[in-house]
Amino acid sequence: GDSVTQMEGPVTLSEEAFLTINCTYTATGYPSLFWYVQYPGEGLQLLLKATKADDKGSNKGFEATYRKETTSFHLEKGSVQVSDSAVYFCALRRGAQKLVFGQGTRLTINP
Amino acid sequence: GAVVSQHPSRVICKSGTSVKIECRSLDFQATTMFWYRQFPKQSLMLMATSNEGSKATYEQGVEKDKFLINHASLTLSTLTVTSAHPEDSSFYICSANGGGRGTTDTQYFGPGTRLTVL
Repeated sequence: GDSVTQMEGPVTLSEEAFLTINCTYTATGYPSLFWYVQYPGEGLQLLLKATKADDKGSNKGFEATYRKETTSFHLEKGSVQVSDSAVYFCALRRGAQKLVFGQGTRLTINP
Repeated sequence: GAVVSQHPSRVICKSGTSVKIECRSLDFQATTMFWYRQFPKQSLMLMATSNEGSKATYEQGVEKDKFLINHASLTLSTLTVTSAHPEDSSFYICSANGGGRGTTDTQYFGPGTRLTVL
């Protein structure tokens, strides 16, 4: 079945560091790919998405490119801030089917 | 943006009792709501999908008599964990779809409910 694998956390970085959170997926066909973020005490929020190969999703300085050849959707940000501290979830969806989530990666940014 | 609330945020109960968790869409009508369960360091697992006014659709392996879901209105869905046992201890998260029946691109998530069964 469909699955999503994220790099294990927790990840701790200093402010202004470069961030990469790896995400790979297994799915038949052409799923849509998502990154969700969960700030402390809040619900998951959609951060960005890509619906077809080579699409790049971007939001709030974060980017991820849908790479079909490597079945990956790595999340990147050039310069992280303390306010980016949160748990990040990679997810996929095929058609109108359910979202399938990775296990989440906790990110902590130190000032 | 759209807001989904859950109540309570955390609950501790004794084994054998039942616990009800509420999920509300505060500023939009949700035709479809989803209930997820999350174990520590694991991903969110979809338990069931509920559509307002109809029976919930449960995922394989989820006991529908154990986890009762009621979606009585367009702004409220409830999950009742019946005869709870310690293995039911988990983090339960709901989400609501404001984009029309069946689509999942516009899911709005609640903050979750931490259930601990002693």
